[in-house]
Amino acid sequence: QQQVKQSPQSLIVQKGGISIINCAYENTAFDYFPWYQQFPGKGPALLIAIRPDVSEKKEGRFTISFNKSAKQFSLHIMDSQPGDSATYFCAASRRGGSYIPTFGRGTSLIVHP
Amino acid sequence: KAGVTQTPRYLIKTRGQQVTLSCSPISGHRSVSWYQQTPGQGLQFLFEYFSETQRNKGNFPGRFSGRQFSNSRSEMNVSTLELGDSALYLCASSPGIANTYEQYFGPGTRLTVT
Repeated sequence: QQQVKQSPQSLIVQKGGISIINCAYENTAFDYFPWYQQFPGKGPALLIAIRPDVSEKKEGRFTISFNKSAKQFSLHIMDSQPGDSATYFCAASRRGGSYIPTFGRGTSLIVHP
Repeated sequence: KAGVTQTPRYLIKTRGQQVTLSCSPISGHRSVSWYQQTPGQGLQFLFEYFSETQRNKGNFPGRFSGRQFSNSRSEMNVSTLELGDSALYLCASSPGIANTYEQYFGPGTRLTVT
């Protein structure tokens, strides 16, 4: 059972454009939603994370939007750059307890110069 | 601080063999989690070790096992390898239990089963 559904599977954006990746979750017990960035040959690196008590979190060009009622959250990359070309994973888990992190299947982002 | 290191980086094994992968966490980190990454299934949680005890286990067969040593280093073992075990195996460390602290991933071990 896939508890976190991520879309699109791949995304091509022009330099300077906005990249938007969406995730939907099923388990309402989740309370921690991180995004990871993975470059070829590297492990995923934490990019930005949000908790459901806020609707938006911004760090530089990266913004997470969170819709608790719809059980959806999204990553927006403003002014996308070729260096942003990577695979992005959303995840969901619950802080503490025995919940294990559940990841989306990833979005391959290509930013053309 | 040095990051998470995994050895070996690449491995080719034959179906039926067994394999052991190693992970050294960031200094001071006590939790080590293992994940399997494949193009079809994405990132799937295998297990988490904290203070030498398995704290959580994902939905994988018993052929997948692990352990953690007193210095927090961890090993993962896969016995009776199958073709479907070909994947990137990622290790992640965190200062405390994985669900409370951010996880830091290593570069992974690419396992190919022929």
